[in-house]
Amino acid sequence: DAGITQSPRHKVTETGTPVTLRCHQTENHRYMYWYRQDPGHGLRLIHYSYGVKDTDKGEVSDGYSVSRSKTEDFLLTLESATSSQTSVYFCAISGGGADTQYFGPGTRLTVL
Amino acid sequence: ILNVEQSPQSLHVQEGDSTNFTCSFPSSNFYALHWYRWETAKSPEALFVMTLNGDEKKKGRISATLNTKEGYSYLYIKGSQPEDSATYLCAFTNNDMRFGAGTRLTVKP
Repeated sequence: DAGITQSPRHKVTETGTPVTLRCHQTENHRYMYWYRQDPGHGLRLIHYSYGVKDTDKGEVSDGYSVSRSKTEDFLLTLESATSSQTSVYFCAISGGGADTQYFGPGTRLTVL
Repeated sequence: ILNVEQSPQSLHVQEGDSTNFTCSFPSSNFYALHWYRWETAKSPEALFVMTLNGDEKKKGRISATLNTKEGYSYLYIKGSQPEDSATYLCAFTNNDMRFGAGTRLTVKP
């Protein structure tokens, strides 16, 4: 395993509530990513980080924000969760460039 | 990045059959092409990363080829086994990484 954990692993919440998902790595990789996985779409990039306090938007960033205050942690926040954000969220890490991305175990989020 | 397309969407084969599937990607501004294997209830697991036109990679019974000029990559599985059943994802990298929707392979004993 590449030393990536995600918490929580499962969460059920209600529409309009804030939610924060955490990704933690022990590999000291520079790049960290948040993806969502939905049927028929594969994995879609939400946000990524290329260093502490350096982040950028991905393909489906609306409704999400991220923060990276230290190398090992990358937080994904849904300020006001909506039912369309029900999904499985994967964190990934890499050294950047063409390097392989290593994925965490995923977080299943249900927004009622 | 434009879309990354994978075909077929799903595939059912018998144990022992050889099979292949396709990943199509934009041929401009190519940087790298990745293949991942994704079993149900697990995380995607890296198979190959290819960066040069004409690259061929092999791991056991699985191999992959890359054509960056025409924008496609093939993944081959020789003598499929039930444990090969999984979704196979390709991902195209230039400034970020875009994944295809995957090919779901089911190998029947």
